[in-house]
Formats: sequence, C-alpha cells, structure tokens
Amino acid sequence: AQKITQTQPGMFVQEKEAVTLDCTYDTSDPSYGLFWYKQPSSGEMIFLIYQGSYDQQNATEGRYSLNFQKARKSANLVISASQLGDSAMYFCAMRDPWSQKVTFGIGTKLQVIP
Amino acid sequence: DTAVSQTPKYLVTQMGNDKSIKCEQNLGHDTMYWYKQDSKKFLKIMFSYNNKELIINETVPNRFSPKSPDKAHLNLHINSLELGDSAVYFCASSQTSDRGFNEKLFFGSGTQLSVL
Repeated sequence: AQKITQTQPGMFVQEKEAVTLDCTYDTSDPSYGLFWYKQPSSGEMIFLIYQGSYDQQNATEGRYSLNFQKARKSANLVISASQLGDSAMYFCAMRDPWSQKVTFGIGTKLQVIP
Repeated sequence: DTAVSQTPKYLVTQMGNDKSIKCEQNLGHDTMYWYKQDSKKFLKIMFSYNNKELIINETVPNRFSPKSPDKAHLNLHINSLELGDSAVYFCASSQTSDRGFNEKLFFGSGTQLSVL
C-alpha cells in the first residue's frame, strides 16, 4: 500500500525567503508519480508540480521546484521568493500506476509573513 | 469553461435526509474520482470510475452510492445522512495514459456538506 507522510503541520516563512515543505513516501512499486497541490483558503485544489519516479532531473515550475531523493523516498517542495499569496495548505500526493489511485498526505499549512 | 464542475457548492440538510452531488468534466478524461476532505483537511479517496466502470471503492459506508451515466459525469448519492458526513466533497478527473502514473488530477471546486 502507498503512504505519504508530511511531518510539518504548519510552517512560517518571511516574504521573499525560500521555504522547503517535506514529503516522504512509501511504495514497493518502482513506477509512481509524485505531485504537489496547493489549497488556498478559498478551497480550490491547484496543481503545482509533478515528478515521475524515472525522471532523472528534479522538476521545476517557475518558483516551485521538487527536491527528489529517490533513495531516501523524499519529494520535498521548494518555494523560492515566497509571496503573501503562497499562504495556503500544501498537499503531497502519489499516484499508483495500476489502480489509478492518488493518495494524499495530511498537508502542511504555510503562512507567509510580511 | 469550467473543466470540472460540481453542484451544488453548498449543501445544508437535516440528519436522515438523502442528497446528491453532481459532477461533470469537459476535459475528455477517462477517470473520475470522489474525495472527502474532513475538518482537519485530510483528503481521502472514496470512489473512482474509469469509462463508467467502478475501479476504486474504498471503505465507505454503503449509504454512499456513486453513479456514472457516462465518462463525463460522476454523481454521488448519499442516503440517510449523518452528522459525521459533514465535510467538503471534491470531484476530480484525470486522463489515463499508457504510463499510468503521470496524469495529474483536475479538481472541481468542492461541495461543502453540512448535516444538522
């Protein structure tokens, strides 16, 4: 069974600073996809970034990058140059290629301080 | 055009009632999901359909019954609503590719269900 662990219930970061949100995962399957989603206070779920288990390079999308360490089974999200609008819940997720099931972590609440 | 739309956005009802939430996607995706987000923000998968066929059925009370009339629609019917059913319910869809694990979820805006 797949499992996603996010150990930081809440994080604070100063505006314009970088922040790392932790995510570790557990799976016995060599093929999997890792995702990060953002949920602002308005409630919608916004896709941020994807990393495939066979991807050689870390994924980047604008100010978001994914620090993928396969041997350690970690997929941390790095947000550079934090903005006030980055204040939100952040969820790490993993897709099982066979069942199509996407499992989410419990989330990290990020607050950006002016 | 909204990619994944679900209605209603808010649903307030009494215990014991039966209610439905509708979901439609215009992305041409094969797979649709229902997720429940509890008060602690934990997202738990409930059901998934692929081309109208049920492929994921988590441990959910049988008061919850999904129905997919076609691959663009996945509705959720809940019988005999209980206080513990209060949550935000998200519909989502994704394409199913040969690789199987790189397709992201597209979410609806959620339905906030309050059972009084």
